[in-house]
Amino acid sequence: GAGVSQSPSNKVTEKGKDVELRCDPISGHTALYWYRQRLGQGLEFLIYFQGNSAPDKSGLPSDRFSAERTGESVSTLTIQRTQQEDSAVYLCASSLVGAAPQETQYFGPGTRLLVL
Amino acid sequence: QKEVEQNSGPLSVPEGAIASLNCTYSDRGSQSFFWYRQYSGKSPELIMSIYSNGDKEDGRFTAQLNKASQYVSLLIRDSQPSDSATYLCAVRTGGATNKLIFGTGTLLAVQP
Repeated sequence: GAGVSQSPSNKVTEKGKDVELRCDPISGHTALYWYRQRLGQGLEFLIYFQGNSAPDKSGLPSDRFSAERTGESVSTLTIQRTQQEDSAVYLCASSLVGAAPQETQYFGPGTRLLVL
Repeated sequence: QKEVEQNSGPLSVPEGAIASLNCTYSDRGSQSFFWYRQYSGKSPELIMSIYSNGDKEDGRFTAQLNKASQYVSLLIRDSQPSDSATYLCAVRTGGATNKLIFGTGTLLAVQP
């Protein structure tokens, strides 16, 4: 595909349920990022993958949040026991290498999560 | 103090005018600076990036960086109604991670 894709595009869940969000980066991009955007707010960094390792998990808000990446491809972000405060748009981005400070991150369309 | 600060707006300008969007950042070690445009309900798209002090022009857009003042701005010349969006300032602070720190965005409204 030409760009970053994410699924599902929308997810409505009940408080306490687990959810899995998926990201397919641009082919050949080794760096992958997850961000969260609450309504009316800027993007909040969650986690960074270089290949299938995560050298920076500093943005994960609690141990209910986890993420993994298979090789240099698909990543899944899992939120366990969802809370209403988890409602947000979850955005995935990828970049070619990750090491160059001038590198552009390309964003996917996001998953809109609503926890009732 | 927030790491990246922007005026939330809305900034309202008439069509054809120059829109000036401003951003300040707190980390003096910041290396790279990005402006993303985000239409309502859509994902951010890169407009400009700048790494060195001074101005960088691309079409109707000019990014300005002043590292001494920890200030970066985006000028949009000949503003069009289609420029109406939220503009997000993002800063890469360097180190082992290349995460971006975003401001909360400035809503720009270009009036026809």
